[in-house]
Amino acid sequence: EVQLVESGGGLVQPGESLRLSCSASGFNFSIYEMTWVRQAPGKGLEWVSYISSGGSIIYYADSVKGRFTISRDNAKNSLFLQMNSLRAEDTAVYYCCYGDYVYYLDYWGQGTLVTVSS
Amino acid sequence: SYVLTQPPSVSVAPGKTARITCGGNNIGSKSVHWYQQKPGQAPVLVVYDDSDRPSGIPERFSGSNSGNTATLTISRVEAGDEADYYCQVWDSNSDHPYVFGTGTKVTVL
Repeated sequence: EVQLVESGGGLVQPGESLRLSCSASGFNFSIYEMTWVRQAPGKGLEWVSYISSGGSIIYYADSVKGRFTISRDNAKNSLFLQMNSLRAEDTAVYYCCYGDYVYYLDYWGQGTLVTVSS
Repeated sequence: SYVLTQPPSVSVAPGKTARITCGGNNIGSKSVHWYQQKPGQAPVLVVYDDSDRPSGIPERFSGSNSGNTATLTISRVEAGDEADYYCQVWDSNSDHPYVFGTGTKVTVL
């Protein structure tokens, strides 16, 4: 059974940093592209970042480019999102996701809440 | 970047048919995927590649895509179908590959 378990969320002040983790199990993590998607309270889904299976191709949404860094450790079946210079508008539930085919997202974690507030 | 537009809300009586549209420039040339999200839960893929259903998704969920509009159709609507629905495409020519629609709240009357 595929499992994606996010952790690392919490309450931080504007300008601070946070590192999210996603622990993957039940599939061959190292051969799949991975994605972070977020959802602000009461808002829609927003794609945040993508990383290829080997980590050589990385994309970011304009809203986070230069502040967030996606990475992965295939030996530990883990995906990460380093979030720096956090803003109030980064407040959201962050989901770790992937798909058997890259074009859509079959599997989602339960999400981890990040709150940026003073 | 590519934009997908959905109506904010759709209301439907139990047993009737709900149709949720997703508009985008020449979206018919892309594959469209649909997600259902209930309150407090992660999204669930209900239709992929315009009209295919993942295992476990009822046949009541179907999709179509042509021209500038893709449509998710929910037949014989049940109370449990009340949720937010999002369309999504993969924009292969962009470094912003996943594009989500604005989302539609389906209310079962």
